[in-house]
Amino acid sequence: AQKITQTQPGMFVQEKEAVTLDCTYDTSDQSYGLFWYKQPSSGEMIFLIYQGSYDEQNATEGRYSLNFQKARKSANLVISASQLGDSAMYFCAMSPDIPYNTDKLIFGTGTRLQVFP
Amino acid sequence: ETGVTQTPRHLVMGMTNKKSLKCEQHLGHNAMYWYKQSAKKPLELMFVYSLEERVENNSVPSRFSPECPNSSHLFLHLHTLQPEDSALYLCASSQELSGGADTQYFGPGTRLTVL
Repeated sequence: AQKITQTQPGMFVQEKEAVTLDCTYDTSDQSYGLFWYKQPSSGEMIFLIYQGSYDEQNATEGRYSLNFQKARKSANLVISASQLGDSAMYFCAMSPDIPYNTDKLIFGTGTRLQVFP
Repeated sequence: ETGVTQTPRHLVMGMTNKKSLKCEQHLGHNAMYWYKQSAKKPLELMFVYSLEERVENNSVPSRFSPECPNSSHLFLHLHTLQPEDSALYLCASSQELSGGADTQYFGPGTRLTVL
């Protein structure tokens, strides 16, 4: 069965520093997608970054990068130059590649990131 | 308006009430989803619609009844809920049901409290 594990319930980082949020996954699929979402206190889920299992290069989106290590089944999110507005819950998610079936996202339990001045 | 919107943002209801949650997406997507987010639990997929047809129902109790009149609107009708149904209900949409790379975009959610 597919599963996403986020072992850090909470993380602290000082403003302008980089932080890594851990995510490991379990799947027997050969093709899948990995996502990170940010959820501020307002509740909405904001898409941050996507990594395909066949992508050879790590995904980057501005200050976000995904450290994808396929052999270890890890997809850690790296936020560079943290800002106070980065304080939020962060969810790692995986979409199993099931052709012609539902686009089912499986989420981890999340990591609460707090950025302090 | 842009993106995915949800109304109401907050809802308090008694166990005998009937209410509906509304979701609207302005992205031209063909697939829409309802998720439930309870405290300290992973997000749970409840329903999936593709081109207004339900394609997934993850053993959700019948007191939750979805409706998708068109590809832009999704409703979740609620009746005789239980206190344990209190949660954040998130709506999402994606371009297609393609598996893998199709990013889902989420609405702001409805915070539901059942008394």
